[in-house]
Amino acid sequence: EIVLTQSPTTMAASPGEKVTITCRASSSVSYMYWYQQKSGASPKPWIYETSKLASGVPDRFSGSGSGTSYSFTISSMETEDAATYYCHQWSSTPFTFGSGTKLEIK
Amino acid sequence: EVQLVESGGGLVQPGASLKLSCVASGFTFSDYWMSWVRQTPGKTMEWIGDIKYDGSYTNYAPSLKNRFTISRDNAKSTLYLQMSNVRSEDTATYYCTRVMYTLDYWGQGVMVTVSS
Repeated sequence: EIVLTQSPTTMAASPGEKVTITCRASSSVSYMYWYQQKSGASPKPWIYETSKLASGVPDRFSGSGSGTSYSFTISSMETEDAATYYCHQWSSTPFTFGSGTKLEIK
Repeated sequence: EVQLVESGGGLVQPGASLKLSCVASGFTFSDYWMSWVRQTPGKTMEWIGDIKYDGSYTNYAPSLKNRFTISRDNAKSTLYLQMSNVRSEDTATYYCTRVMYTLDYWGQGVMVTVSS
C-alpha cells in the first residue's frame, strides 16, 4: 500500500500569502490528485493528474510534482480557501489518501 | 445536475450487517465506474473500492474485501455497499463517488455508527 504523507498537518495563512502543501508518496505514483473539503461538506475535486484544475477552481491554485514528491500551491491566499486539502493517489490499489492539511485564514 | 444521494446508514451493533444505497441522477449511470470512500470521525479518508460501469468487475481495499461488497443496479441507477460483520472501526461517513478523470462527484455522505 502506498502511504501518502502530507505536510504540514495544519497551517494558517494571511490573505495574499503564498501557500504550499506537500505530499510525499512511499512509492512512485503517476499522478497526484487533490480534494478540498470544507467543514460539514463533502470533498470536492480540486486538482487532477498532478496539475490540472477541476472545473470552477480559480487559477491561483496549482499543482506540480512527479514520482514520490508533489506539491499544491495557492499563489495568493483568499478567505474562501480556508479548508482541508487531501492528496490522493490513483496509481496503485488500494488507492490511498493523505491525512489532510487544514488550512486556516489568519 | 449530477446528484448522488446515499441512504441506509444509522446505528448498528457490532457483528451486524448493513446495506448502503446511493441513488444517482443527472447522468447516465451505466456509463460510469463508481466507488465508495469513507471518512472516519477523525477525518481519515479511506478508499473502499470501486465497480465497473456494467458491474462485471470490482476492486476492493484488501483490508475490507472479506466483509464489504459493492454492487449496482443500472436499471435503478443505484450503487450499493453491503457491509457485514461490522466493527467499531467501521464507524464513519460513507460517500459514493462517480469515477471519471478524478472522483468528480461525491454524495452528501451517510453516517454509520457501530456501537452496542
